[in-house]
Order: sequence, then structure tokens, then C-alpha cells
Amino acid sequence: AQSVTQLGSHVSVSEGALVLLRCNYSSSVPPYLFWYVQYPNQGLQLLLKYTSAATLVKGINGFEAEFKKSETSFHLTKPSAHMSDAAEYFCAVSYNPGNTPLVFGKGTRLSVIA
Amino acid sequence: KAGVTQTPRYLIKTRGQQVTLSCSPISGHRSVSWYQQTPGQGLQFLFEYFSETQRNKGNFPGRFSGRQFSNSRSEMNVSTLELGDSALYLCASSPTQPSREKLFFGSGTQLSVL
Repeated sequence: AQSVTQLGSHVSVSEGALVLLRCNYSSSVPPYLFWYVQYPNQGLQLLLKYTSAATLVKGINGFEAEFKKSETSFHLTKPSAHMSDAAEYFCAVSYNPGNTPLVFGKGTRLSVIA
Repeated sequence: KAGVTQTPRYLIKTRGQQVTLSCSPISGHRSVSWYQQTPGQGLQFLFEYFSETQRNKGNFPGRFSGRQFSNSRSEMNVSTLELGDSALYLCASSPTQPSREKLFFGSGTQLSVL
């Protein structure tokens, strides 16, 4: 079965520091991979997605993620954290967009310290 | 363009009762998915509807059911509520099927079962 694992349920960084949120997936076929962000009391919003085009994907708000097949990873990064980045981040995978729903990781809560 | 609208925003019920949650997708969107979000389990897929037909169903008991109307609005129903049903229920819509390219989420209905 398809799955994603997010390493670290909580990550804390200083304002201006690098943000690195980890996501690994299990796959026997090329996956479609997504990162979503959830701000307090809101639904999820798509940050970026990988759909077998470029392996380095740029998203909104300065975030990017790199698909590494050899490591089965799709880690999310941002060079410089901002206070407004504090939120919960979810990695998600789909192996057959025509038939199977997204499977989400359990989420990583990002705290940004001033 | 209005986003995905979920009503009510908050709901308090007691064990044994039933509840109906509503979701109005973005205008023109025909696919609606439902997810249950809890702190321990993260987001778990409940079901997906497209053109009034259930396309996929997650691993939830039969107490959880849903439907979609001809105007694409969707409802989900939970009968015989249990304490463990307390969660944030998120609805997401997308323009067409397959719906995995991008999901647009509502802010959710926070259900508390006492």
C-alpha cells in the first residue's frame, strides 16, 4: 500500500534559518507527490506538487522540494524562515491519479522562533 | 470565486446521536472528497464523489456515509456517534476527475462528541 512518512512531528527553527521538513514515500511505481500547508483554524492549501516533470519543484511562499527517487524522498525546504511560516505541513502521495485518493502523512508542525 | 464552504463550523453532539455535515464545493467543481483529521492519525480519507457517484471509499465503518447532489454539494453522515469520532472533518473539491492534481480544502467542521 502506498504511504508517506514525515520525520519529526514538530520542527522548530529560528527566524531567518533554513527550513527542512522531511518526507519519505513507499513506492513501486512513480508517484505523484504533494506538500500542503494548514494554518490554524483553516483547511489545507497546496504548496507544491511533483508530477514527474522537473525533480526540483518550486512552490508558493518561497518553498521548494526535490524529488529523489534513489532516496524515495521529497523533502520540503525554504532558505529563510519567516514568522508567518508557522503552520502544519503535510506531505501526500498518489500513485494512480485516476483512481486512488491522496494519502497524507501525519504532518509536521513548524514553529518559528523570533 | 467563493472557496469550499463547510457547515457548520463547530458541532457538539453526544454519544449515540447522529450528525450531518455539509460541503459546498467551488463553483464548477464536480469532485468532492472527505477527510477526517485527528491529532493522532492525521488525515484519513473517508470517501470521494464525482457526479453524484461514490468513486472511492476509505477504511471507515458503515456508520460513516455520504452523498453528492446534482449541484455537486455533498453531505456526510455519521450515525451512532462514538467518542472517537471527535475530529476535524475536511471537505475538498477539484474541477474534474482525476481529482489528485489539486485539491481545494474547506476550513472544516470541528465535531466534538461528549
